Amino acid sequence: DTGVSQDPRHKITKRGQNVTFRCDPISEHNRLYWYRQTLGQGPEFLTYFQNEAQLEKSRLLSDRFSAERPKGSFSTLEIQRTEQGDSAMYLCASSTGGKDGYTFGSGTRLTVV
Amino acid sequence: AQRVTQPEKLLSVFKGAPVELKCNYSYSGSPELFWYVQYSRQRLQLLLRHISRESIKGFTADLNKGETSFHLKKPFAQEEDSAMYYCALSDHTASKLTFGTGTRLQVTL
Repeated sequence: DTGVSQDPRHKITKRGQNVTFRCDPISEHNRLYWYRQTLGQGPEFLTYFQNEAQLEKSRLLSDRFSAERPKGSFSTLEIQRTEQGDSAMYLCASSTGGKDGYTFGSGTRLTVV
Repeated sequence: AQRVTQPEKLLSVFKGAPVELKCNYSYSGSPELFWYVQYSRQRLQLLLRHISRESIKGFTADLNKGETSFHLKKPFAQEEDSAMYYCALSDHTASKLTFGTGTRLQVTL
């Protein structure tokens, strides 16, 4: 297990297209988080899973965004009808909820043209 | 609402000089505070958390509830400390984190 993996690393898409990102957490971590980071800002919380249950969603997560974690392992984040404002780094993190805090992935950089 | 403020976008210090990265927060309850660090071309990683009360890579941070601050300090800066530092807050261990905008620490010779 090499940590939290995110795929793809980079995605360029045309406005209006749908995109899907994948996150593979550390296998023994039951909590999985998605964050978004734009230039000059810190990561902003999008949503959080405990096992397969989506427990919290930010107001930032509009109806065009959907996240799943079907078997409590990997997660996907889909953005429908992308807009230029969706351009950002999308970060995934996982944790056990213990003292070691989160482990972050390297992120998926989305560019909407 | 939770908020974390890091007033400095960039802090430039000489090698061997003391470092203090400022972090102030607003939260009505008893928060958990963290410092995360991102070195060049690496992923974001946990540096330290206030409940551990430990020193990591020579860095310490004390939670001051009266001043609602959690400043990160190191007595003698090293070149390898150059990185982006984010202060973050959560309402309990497993909950979402609210991050500040980050401070870039630049240690020069």
